[in-house]
Amino acid sequence: GESVGLHLPTLSVQEGDNSIINCAYSNSASDYFIWYKQESGKGPQFIIDIRSNMDKRQGQRVTVLLNKTVKHLSLQIAATQPGDSAVYFCAENTGGGNKLTFGTGTQLKVEL
Amino acid sequence: DAGVIQSPRHEVTEMGQEVTLRCKPISGHNSLFWYRQTMMRGLELLIYFNNNVPIDDSGMPEDRFSAKMPNASFSTLKIQPSEPRDSAVYFCASSRGTVETQYFGPGTRLLVL
Repeated sequence: GESVGLHLPTLSVQEGDNSIINCAYSNSASDYFIWYKQESGKGPQFIIDIRSNMDKRQGQRVTVLLNKTVKHLSLQIAATQPGDSAVYFCAENTGGGNKLTFGTGTQLKVEL
Repeated sequence: DAGVIQSPRHEVTEMGQEVTLRCKPISGHNSLFWYRQTMMRGLELLIYFNNNVPIDDSGMPEDRFSAKMPNASFSTLKIQPSEPRDSAVYFCASSRGTVETQYFGPGTRLLVL
């Protein structure tokens, strides 16, 4: 029979363009957020994190923006490369412990 | 530095058999997490430990699943008896402390026939 799985939103970008991946989180009490990258056949890999007392944080080619007013998180990747092709997950820590809640993920496809 | 180590990387077993998955967290990390990832349900937290003590096991599907952490450098996730619906990728992750980045292992791909 036909298999049914999570429908991952897909973002297709041209190599060299900037990518923006968005994430809406649910809990206004969340105080810590992480972006992970997962390549096929591998475990999630840490990209960048941000705490709720900040609204922007930059890394190498990546920037995370946090808008607590609308509970929105975004990951910006500059000059997207073929190696950036992967599924990207946002995760939030809802406070009171180590528990992370992961989003469903966004598939990023980089076209040559 | 060695990351989180998981074994085996792949496991194929028959329904009804016992399966044991193993994890070695990053040295110095005092929190350990077990996740399951499937196409249907995405990435789900099964259980996590702080300082070797289970803190939250609300994600453990049922009594067939059990997890232990006998010391700071080793944890097991056991499924007994296994069922085909347990087929998934099981990830172990560790972090330095509360509200810190979790680092994932490569996963164990489990197929129960």
